[in-house]
Amino acid sequence: AQSVTQLGSHVSVSEGALVLLRCNYSSSVPPYLFWYVQYPNQGLQLLLKYTSAATLVKGINGFEAEFKKSETSFHLTKPSAHMSDAAEYFCAVNTNAGKSTFGDGTTLTVKP
Amino acid sequence: DVKVTQSSRYLVKRTGEKVFLECVQDMDHENMFWYRQDPGLGLRLIYFSYDVKMKEKGDIPEGYSVSREKKERFSLILESASTNQTSMYLCASSHSGPGTLHLDTQYFGPGTRLTVL
Repeated sequence: AQSVTQLGSHVSVSEGALVLLRCNYSSSVPPYLFWYVQYPNQGLQLLLKYTSAATLVKGINGFEAEFKKSETSFHLTKPSAHMSDAAEYFCAVNTNAGKSTFGDGTTLTVKP
Repeated sequence: DVKVTQSSRYLVKRTGEKVFLECVQDMDHENMFWYRQDPGLGLRLIYFSYDVKMKEKGDIPEGYSVSREKKERFSLILESASTNQTSMYLCASSHSGPGTLHLDTQYFGPGTRLTVL
């Protein structure tokens, strides 16, 4: 079975600081990995996804993630946090049947 | 833009009531999903559907049923609501091209926060 683990349920950074949200996966087959963001009182929306075309994936709002097979990781980063980045972030892995398994989520707080 | 709408943002029901949560998508997507979201537990799949009149159990189907009579609409039914079904319910849809199920991006509605008293 495929799964993802998000390390750290809460991350707090200062505005302008580096954002690093961690995601490790477990999969017996090549994984198809996603990051979604949920702003307060909204549904989830796609930030970026890994489709094996490139290990460094760029998404919306300046976020990117790097697929590292040797570390079974797909960590999400952004060089400089903005107040508007405060949200909950979910890592997910897709099965070949199109189902998604989500991590428990990481809440990002950005301090002024 | 894909739009997924859910019939209510907030709903309060009593224990034992039959509850219907409705979801409609406007992009002719084949796949539709129902999740519940609880703090610290992420999203858990309740049911999903790959086509009209088709349904598959997800990870936590107990106490729920679904209906998909039309392609654009996917309903979640709580046959007899209980307090442990108090949660945020999220609907999602996705489009599948040939051989690309694993690459599907899911598009989510805003959620329905259900409270069962």
